[in-house]
Amino acid sequence: DAGVIQSPRHEVTEMGQEVTLRCKPISGHNSLFWYRQTMMRGLELLIYFNNNVPIDDSGMPEDRFSAKMPNASFSTLKIQPSEPRDSAVYFCASSLRGGAEAFFGQGTRLTVV
Amino acid sequence: AQSVTQLGSHVSVSEGALVLLRCNYSSSVPPYLFWYVQYPNQGLQLLLKYTSAATLVKGINGFEAEFKKSETSFHLTKPSAHMSDAAEYFCAVSDFGNTPLVFGKGTRLSVIA
Repeated sequence: DAGVIQSPRHEVTEMGQEVTLRCKPISGHNSLFWYRQTMMRGLELLIYFNNNVPIDDSGMPEDRFSAKMPNASFSTLKIQPSEPRDSAVYFCASSLRGGAEAFFGQGTRLTVV
Repeated sequence: AQSVTQLGSHVSVSEGALVLLRCNYSSSVPPYLFWYVQYPNQGLQLLLKYTSAATLVKGINGFEAEFKKSETSFHLTKPSAHMSDAAEYFCAVSDFGNTPLVFGKGTRLSVIA
């Protein structure tokens, strides 16, 4: 299995631009999570899906952030418009059930200038 | 709500010395506990997990951890540090194993030759 695949690995964008991060979970996993990692706040859960349905998006920092999971093999995290404080590493993870034993992708390092 | 506290943001040990990384959790229900490792510019990799079975859990790369309910602790140990163990280590908790992982702030382990 290829594991959780995220793209792009690095993204540099200008403030105000739209950014879309992509994730392909492990085949057969029915839970998907988006986390953000910063030096100041560590790893924060942004949103998670069970069976493609968003369950808890209370971690999404602002309305500028949105996430979708149109099918079991694909999810996106969109930031529009982006701001410098959104600069972080964004991780996607998947698991067979709930949050137990989540498998992480390599992450997308986002830099907003 | 569950939470995790990792004591010490940075731990430095000599090669061959004992590694001890501390983790205390807070949970109102039986927790599932995890240790993950993150190498530079990589995603998080599962080291080991406690899922209410044996209190002493063995993981990959010679690491182990002991669940102590009376101390609400789940400290990570390795008898002899190797240079390749240098990385960031995260402790995480999930209620009953079916809620998203909540992570501690991480401990960076340095190994000195």
